[in-house]
Amino acid sequence: GNSVTQMEGPVTLSEEAFLTINCTYTATGYPSLFWYVQYPGEGLQLLLKATKADDKGSNKGFEATYRKETTSFHLEKGSVQVSDSAVYFCALGSMDSNYQLIWGAGTKLIIKP
Amino acid sequence: EAQVTQNPRYLITVTGKKLTVTCSQNMNHEYMSWYRQDPGLGLRQIYYSMNVEVTDKGDVPEGYKVSRKEKRNFPLILESPSPNQTSLYFCASSGPLSGANVLTFGAGSRLTVL
Repeated sequence: GNSVTQMEGPVTLSEEAFLTINCTYTATGYPSLFWYVQYPGEGLQLLLKATKADDKGSNKGFEATYRKETTSFHLEKGSVQVSDSAVYFCALGSMDSNYQLIWGAGTKLIIKP
Repeated sequence: EAQVTQNPRYLITVTGKKLTVTCSQNMNHEYMSWYRQDPGLGLRQIYYSMNVEVTDKGDVPEGYKVSRKEKRNFPLILESPSPNQTSLYFCASSGPLSGANVLTFGAGSRLTVL
């Protein structure tokens, strides 16, 4: 079945460091891919998405490219800030529903000043 | 402001004492869903609803009930809570104008069952 695997956390970085959070998926067909972010004490919110192979989603300085050949959707940011500290979830859109998602386990990111 | 509102945000209760976590959305969304979030396990879906009077089990429905009598409300009911239901709960909603697989989440309800 479809699944999402993302790197375990926590990931701890210093401010202005380069960030990569790995996400790989297993899926039949070509689902949409998502990154959601959960800031401390808040619910999840959509960070970015890509709907087809080679699409790049971007938002708030974060980017992720839908790589069909490596079945990956890694999240990157060139220079992180303390305010980026959060839990990041990679997710795969269900092919059977416009609303259902298959979630990764989440990666906690800690940015130190 | 478009939002999903959950109540209570925090609750400590005892084993066996029935409780309800309410969820309300003001976006006229057809779809609503409940998740629980536990360390190391990510988000797991409890129940979801595609529209009024239509509900389906998610991955971990045992010990929970839901109802969808009105479009805006989707309460989560724990008839006889147990300590293994201690968790952080999220309600989410979506509709045709949200974009495929784009969910709006509530702020979460942290439940502790003693």
